[in-house]
Amino acid sequence: DVKVTQSSRYLVKRTGEKVFLECVQDMDHENMFWYRQDPGLGLRLIYFSYDVKMKEKGDIPEGYSVSREKKERFSLILESASTNQTSMYLCASLGQGRETQYFGPGTRLLVL
Amino acid sequence: QKEVEQNSGPLSVPEGAIASLNCTYSDRGSQSFFWYRQYSGKSPELIMSIYSNGDKEDGRFTAQLNKASQYVSLLIRDSQPSDSATYLCAVPPSGTYKYIFGTGTRLKVLA
Repeated sequence: DVKVTQSSRYLVKRTGEKVFLECVQDMDHENMFWYRQDPGLGLRLIYFSYDVKMKEKGDIPEGYSVSREKKERFSLILESASTNQTSMYLCASLGQGRETQYFGPGTRLLVL
Repeated sequence: QKEVEQNSGPLSVPEGAIASLNCTYSDRGSQSFFWYRQYSGKSPELIMSIYSNGDKEDGRFTAQLNKASQYVSLLIRDSQPSDSATYLCAVPPSGTYKYIFGTGTRLKVLA
């Protein structure tokens, strides 16, 4: 079974703080994704990585950066957290070929 | 802009009935189609994938794909209260791994 883990289930941060969300997968997948999910807006892609040190912007990259130094680990960084970044953050991984994306349990972030 | 559309619902069905969930997509070149189930407060989990026109059955779930009409549907037979969740349709546009998700249909199965 594919396992995708995220560093925190719940996180509370203050406006202006730097926030790190970490995602680890154990299936040697090349592709990893960060999404945020908000009511009525669905899943929106923030960033995508297709290999170590390689990344692509998704639909809403503003205010976020990512890091992929090792194949199994993909980090999302909020450089200076703002209240409009309060959301559920979901990480996913995907192998090559027509396979499905597997999701981590999610991190619910509250920025005060 | 590639799109995936779903009716947001809620779709309410009585226990034991068939629930029918629909999804339309805009990219004619898409080759893979996925249905995820998401319980409130949880992350999405895959329940069905389909790649060819026609029906694919897995237990109480049947996925139907019609590429000419650009729609994919999910049928849930003998619906149970435990099927109450939001169902997300996901379609990767051709040549990319960046899936596009619909906003989901909320299903309520009434006991």
